[in-house]
Amino acid sequence: NAGVTQTPKFRVLKTGQSMTLLCAQDMNHEYMYWYRQDPGMGLRLIHYSVGEGTTAKGEVPDGYNVSRLKKQNFLLGLESAAPSQTSVYFCASSYPAEREPSNPSYGEQFFGPGTRLTVL
Amino acid sequence: LAKTTQPISMDSYEGQEVNITCSHNNIATNDYITWYQQFPSQGPRFIIQGYKTKVTNEVASLFIPADRKSSTLSLPRVSLSDTAVYYCLVGEMDSNYQLIWGAGTKLIIKP
Repeated sequence: NAGVTQTPKFRVLKTGQSMTLLCAQDMNHEYMYWYRQDPGMGLRLIHYSVGEGTTAKGEVPDGYNVSRLKKQNFLLGLESAAPSQTSVYFCASSYPAEREPSNPSYGEQFFGPGTRLTVL
Repeated sequence: LAKTTQPISMDSYEGQEVNITCSHNNIATNDYITWYQQFPSQGPRFIIQGYKTKVTNEVASLFIPADRKSSTLSLPRVSLSDTAVYYCLVGEMDSNYQLIWGAGTKLIIKP
């Protein structure tokens, strides 16, 4: 099993350009997450999904959109990139609690290797 | 949103027990407390998760007081390879539900 994979690993954009980051997991997990991590800081949740076709906003959703058309994939889009979006982006997936299927805090999150994005 | 706070850094020596505390005053009623470890240029890796009292696995223990407003990760007999950044993660309920990560504690283990 590959676990959680992210595409691309590195990307440089110019201000105003758009791009899509792809996250794929082969563990049949219900939950998927997109985070950003700025240098020397903790992770901040951008958007998350508790199942195919559903998404929800996290702590810092502005400037990003997401889609979960297939259970195994979670896409993060930047419509018009800004220098403030320079960061490392991590995708994660997890399984829901049997007794609390709508509780995103439950379970081990499995992380991808990250995408390092620079916006000039 | 209430902040999830943890010490910025800690030092210890090989073979010692290390305790890292996280404060999470606004934790949601039904939410779990989770700790992760992160090495440079890697994604975080799960260490342990709990809801209340004490949880122990093969690598760590997690202590949670009755009010659940804090938690303590305990690493027994640390080694040099435990040098990493440690994060706590909780769910918090303010105007809406959020998953909140602490800023991380950089743990340095000395020989």
